[in-house]
Amino acid sequence: QSALTQPASVSGSPGQSITISCTGTSSDVGGYNYVSWYQQHPGKAPRLMIYAVSDRPSGVSNRFSGSKSGNAASLTISGLQAEDEADYYCSSYTSSRSWVFGGGTTVTVL
Amino acid sequence: EAQLVESGGGLAQPGRSLRLSCEASGLNFDDHAMHWVRQAPGKGLEWVSGISWNSGEIGYSDSVMGRFTISRDNAKKSLHLQLNNLRAEDTALYYCAHSKSRGYFGGTFDHWGQGTLVTVSS
Repeated sequence: QSALTQPASVSGSPGQSITISCTGTSSDVGGYNYVSWYQQHPGKAPRLMIYAVSDRPSGVSNRFSGSKSGNAASLTISGLQAEDEADYYCSSYTSSRSWVFGGGTTVTVL
Repeated sequence: EAQLVESGGGLAQPGRSLRLSCEASGLNFDDHAMHWVRQAPGKGLEWVSGISWNSGEIGYSDSVMGRFTISRDNAKKSLHLQLNNLRAEDTALYYCAHSKSRGYFGGTFDHWGQGTLVTVSS
């Protein structure tokens, strides 16, 4: 199972909105609504930010939103803040009865 | 407060074995699937293995199939991963992750431990 494709880095100024893409295939992202997004700060464990494509766990800011179209999913962070600077990973359930992650995107707040 | 605490990592020679454990507290362990996810130094996340709430469904990534074995003890709220025939490429921080789903299928990883480091080297 090949990793999902994410841009290596995305940057934005405080207050701006950024979008991170996550491209898969019909066997993963396109075939299931089990797409999740995780935030990981250096030296910390991943934190769930979005699940089931667009649902937010309690405690996650509504500045984070998710969507999906075909074989691609996206995470949008609006009103970018310094604390949002981190690595972000998408993941999806796959037809091989496994899970696949994206390669990760480093978000930089300018 | 939900907490997952991994243990059992360490230095092992190629071909040797290790047994990882994950102790859960403050969350509904018995009715939810559990998974192991690893992260090689400076690299991204890789799903390793998952097990349904009642151990009825189990899955492994191709990279560890036949070498690793996942198991759970609901009475002790613990998850385990037996790592056999270790390779250098198994070197990683191993995270235990709780699933929102009861079954193996679908779900998401809503709680993570801090990880236990496995280093495979001669």
